[in-house]
Amino acid sequence: SYVLSQSPSVSVAPGQTAMITCRGDNIGSRSVHWYQQRPGQAPMLVVYEDTNRPSGIPERFSGSNSANTASLTITRVTAGDEADYYCQVWDSSGDSSVVFGGGTKLTV
Amino acid sequence: QVQLEQSGAEVKRPGASVKVSCKVPGHSLSTVSMHWVRQVPGKGLEWMGLHNPRHGERYYAQKFLGRLTMSEDTSTSTTYMELRNLRFDDTAVYYCATRYCSSGSCPISYYSAMDAWGKGATVTVSS
Repeated sequence: SYVLSQSPSVSVAPGQTAMITCRGDNIGSRSVHWYQQRPGQAPMLVVYEDTNRPSGIPERFSGSNSANTASLTITRVTAGDEADYYCQVWDSSGDSSVVFGGGTKLTV
Repeated sequence: QVQLEQSGAEVKRPGASVKVSCKVPGHSLSTVSMHWVRQVPGKGLEWMGLHNPRHGERYYAQKFLGRLTMSEDTSTSTTYMELRNLRFDDTAVYYCATRYCSSGSCPISYYSAMDAWGKGATVTVSS
């Protein structure tokens, strides 16, 4: 089955830029979605289909996807961005399924 | 964007079953496909399955085959997730999640991005 790998944690100072990566075999050929989950809350979609932001998500959040790495970049990071972030793809090979990365804890 | 209303917390014995509901008020089930995702305390997100009521399609994570059933009641726009033969390690928060498709004719891959989530239902398995 398809596997997505994320670094467990990323730390960044307020006002700086955070980059969270998601690695998978030829992930660039798949659509990647990103979720933010604050403690005690349900996840929230922040980027879908590699680069698109849902309504209400600040422009500070952006995504990219190429070769074996997808990335979520958050510019001008604030304390409110501190959360767990998960990447996710739809794996249509074999038995179709959703695959989540293990998650990255962003500490500000 | 749709709102999802989930049922409340449950406490179950090992070996029992739990049925969690997820209502989509104001919308037909033909416009959504419902994912079920769980999160064990302190762990990451784990996908369980996807249910497309319009086409009668169901996709299950291999791990839950034989223990998981996803169903619907179209008259109340409610979907259900039933997990059987509960074990202690099934203690988790169970979320339903979806993406709205106004035409109801979106491909299953469209629903892979989940832009609406329920608040989660805590299921505790305890003796």
